[in-house]
Amino acid sequence: DAGVIQSPRHEVTEMGQEVTLRCKPISGHDYLFWYRQTMMRGLELLIYFNNNVPIDDSGMPEDRFSAKMPNASFSTLKIQPSEPRDSAVYFCASRRGLVFPYNEQFFGPGTRLTVL
Amino acid sequence: GEDVEQSLFLSVREGDSSVINCTYTDSSSTYLYWYKQEPGAGLQLLTYIFSNMDMKQDQRLTVLLNKKDKHLSLRIADTQTGDSAIYFCAPYGNQGGKLIFGQGTELSVKP
Repeated sequence: DAGVIQSPRHEVTEMGQEVTLRCKPISGHDYLFWYRQTMMRGLELLIYFNNNVPIDDSGMPEDRFSAKMPNASFSTLKIQPSEPRDSAVYFCASRRGLVFPYNEQFFGPGTRLTVL
Repeated sequence: GEDVEQSLFLSVREGDSSVINCTYTDSSSTYLYWYKQEPGAGLQLLTYIFSNMDMKQDQRLTVLLNKKDKHLSLRIADTQTGDSAIYFCAPYGNQGGKLIFGQGTELSVKP
């Protein structure tokens, strides 16, 4: 398996533009997570899905952020409009289930977002 | 919710032992994970310990768990320059499937 795939790896955009980050989880994994990593706040959980259904979005910063999972092999995180404070590395992660050993979480390589 | 605290930086000399500490608040944690993030990469599972264990050894890695104090530590013996990375503690338990990470400890190994 290729692991969790994220695209793009780097994104530079201007304030006010829409940004869409993409993730393909590992096949057969029922859980998908979006995290944001910054120096100031560390690794924050934004939202997670179980069987394509959003379960907990309490970490989503504000209405400018939205996430979807239209099918088991694809998820998007959208920021509209983007602001400089959204600059961070965004990680997608997936795992098979809740119980050990199926709850090992696998991370993608991340998307480094810079908003000018 | 769960709160996980780690010191932000640790610097050691090559060949020395490194000890990375973590405190957490959720006493219902059933597994406690250590993840490693190398520069420019995502996190990878390094090791774990079950909550009914006090210690786990895995080659150069030793994990110690003090459930009473909710304290977890990761010891790396004979630290190498390749161990330079950010290490995250992540207790897993009664959080509805969520894995909450600490801030991460950046380990710098000097030759």
